[in-house]
Amino acid sequence: AQTVTQSQPEMSVQEAETVTLSCTYDTSENNYYLFWYKQPPSRQMILVIRQEAYKQQNATENRFSVNFQKAAKSFSLKISDSQLGDTAMYFCAFQLIYGQNFVFGPGTRLSVLP
Amino acid sequence: KAGVTQTPRYLIKTRGQQVTLSCSPISGHRSVSWYQQTPGQGLQFLFEYFSETQRNKGNFPGRFSGRQFSNSRSEMNVSTLELGDSALYLCASSQGDATDTQYFGPGTRLTVL
Repeated sequence: AQTVTQSQPEMSVQEAETVTLSCTYDTSENNYYLFWYKQPPSRQMILVIRQEAYKQQNATENRFSVNFQKAAKSFSLKISDSQLGDTAMYFCAFQLIYGQNFVFGPGTRLSVLP
Repeated sequence: KAGVTQTPRYLIKTRGQQVTLSCSPISGHRSVSWYQQTPGQGLQFLFEYFSETQRNKGNFPGRFSGRQFSNSRSEMNVSTLELGDSALYLCASSQGDATDTQYFGPGTRLTVL
């Protein structure tokens, strides 16, 4: 079975600064996807970024980028130039390439401070 | 395109009752997955339906069931409600292939008294 761990229950960052959220996972499979989802307070889950395990290049989406270390089973999210709207719960998720169900980490609550 | 919609958004029930939640996927999406989100257990996968058939199932008791209609809309039913069933129930839709991203709805907040 796959597991996802997020070791930082809560984090805070000053507006305009950079923050990195950690995620580690455990799997014996070789083909999978990794995701970061964002859940703002009282709002729905939004996909932030997705990484295919077979790609060595780290995914980026504007201010969001990942550091994917497959051998270490690590998948951290870096948010640059943090904005107040980035305040949310961030979930790391794992999906087998031939499976539809996600395994989610427990989440990291990020607060961006003015 | 309209996003994933879920109805109702809020629901209050008492122990022993049953409840049905509804999810309408994004147009063209054939896969619908259901998740339970609680503060203690986080996000847990319930089941996934694709083309009216249950394709994957999580580790939940038989009180939790679902179905999918020919228009891809899905319903989830919980019978004999327990206090521990209080949660945010999220559904997510995708086109259904292994490479597809799931898009989440706003959720239904169920409170069991």
